[in-house]
Amino acid sequence: AQSVTQPDIHITVSEGASLELRCNYSYGATPYLFWYVQSPGQGLQLLLKYFSGDTLVQGIKGFEAEFKRSQSSFNLRKPSVHWSDAAEYFCAVGAQDQFYFGTGTSLTVIP
Amino acid sequence: KAGVTQTPRYLIKTRGQQVTLSCSPISGHRSVSWYQQTPGQGLQFLFEYFSETQRNKGNFPGRFSGRQFSNSRSEMNVSTLELGDSALYLCASSQFSLAGLPNEQYFGPGTRLTVT
Repeated sequence: AQSVTQPDIHITVSEGASLELRCNYSYGATPYLFWYVQSPGQGLQLLLKYFSGDTLVQGIKGFEAEFKRSQSSFNLRKPSVHWSDAAEYFCAVGAQDQFYFGTGTSLTVIP
Repeated sequence: KAGVTQTPRYLIKTRGQQVTLSCSPISGHRSVSWYQQTPGQGLQFLFEYFSETQRNKGNFPGRFSGRQFSNSRSEMNVSTLELGDSALYLCASSQFSLAGLPNEQYFGPGTRLTVT
């Protein structure tokens, strides 16, 4: 069965520090992979997506993610976090029948 | 293009009542999905509509239903509300690629439902 795991429920980083949010998926075919961000009281905004090709994808707001098929992972990274990055982050797999979302990682940024 | 819109944004109902939520997708998007979001549970898939047909359904009781109109607008209905139905209900629209696989989903701001 398809599933997405985000092992870190909550992460705290200092402003200016680097960030990596982990995502592991279980899917039988080549996955369509996504990262979304949700600010409090808002809907989800797409950060980046991977369909095929280059396994390192760039997104908005300075985020990038790397698809590693051998590890079934699609980790999100940012070299220098800004206070405005504090939010909830969701990884998702797009399958033929539906999207499967992880339970999210809440990011706190310390000034 | 206008984004996904959801109405109303906030709703307070009492147990036993029913509620209808509305979603207008991005113009040209024919797929509309609904999710329930609660703290600690993440996004739980309710159902997906494409060209007025429900194609997929999540693991929710029959009290949760939906429909899609010819203009792709969608509604979801929850009957006999329970306290546990309090949640943020998100609607998302997307296009599908020629291969039948999904492109990214675009989310609305959600409807915050509180059941008392």
